[in-house]
Amino acid sequence: KAGVTQTPRYLIKTRGQQVTLSCSPISGHRSVSWYQQTPGQGLQFLFEYFSETQRNKGNFPGRFSGRQFSNSRSEMNVSTLELGDSALYLCASSLVGGVDTQYFGPGTRLTVL
Amino acid sequence: GIQVEQSPPDLILQEGANSTLRCNFSDSVNNLQWFHQNPWGQLINLFYIPSGTKQNGRLSATTVATERYSLLYISSSQTTDSGVYFCAVIAGGTSYGKLTFGQGTILTVHP
Repeated sequence: KAGVTQTPRYLIKTRGQQVTLSCSPISGHRSVSWYQQTPGQGLQFLFEYFSETQRNKGNFPGRFSGRQFSNSRSEMNVSTLELGDSALYLCASSLVGGVDTQYFGPGTRLTVL
Repeated sequence: GIQVEQSPPDLILQEGANSTLRCNFSDSVNNLQWFHQNPWGQLINLFYIPSGTKQNGRLSATTVATERYSLLYISSSQTTDSGVYFCAVIAGGTSYGKLTFGQGTILTVHP
């Protein structure tokens, strides 16, 4: 099976712009979770989607949003970018999002200038 | 929320040495995973181990859920083992898909 894929891999934006990141899960996986990794805060949970529904959300401002499509692919959007949004964004997929293994994609490295 | 602490924060070894990484967590968990983050940032699954013991080649892991800790053992370390090792858990209850990560152990293996 193909692994989790994320596009784009690298992105440079300026403050105030918005960005959309995409994640394609492993075939058959219905849960997709998103994480932000920064040197200062480490790996932090953004949100989780299962069957097109957001089931869980981390402590991030409303500028961070996401959605999941019927084929389980997911997108996350960050509006009004700030310098502090520069980070590695990772998505992970699993069968059901609980007592099962999460598999991570290669990540999207976002730089905000 | 649940807290995850990893120790040591940094570990420097000579090739061939053995090491033990520890992960303590503050509450009951449904899921515990160990990851190795490669230099390009990808998180590589090592173990899914909410309880018990598993082995995979030179690596093994043990989780004692009742005492809220997990150990990752690396034997006969190689330079390619260098990188950051993370422990992550999903707390019991309705924490769907929410892995909470420790701060990681940075492992450096010298030839």
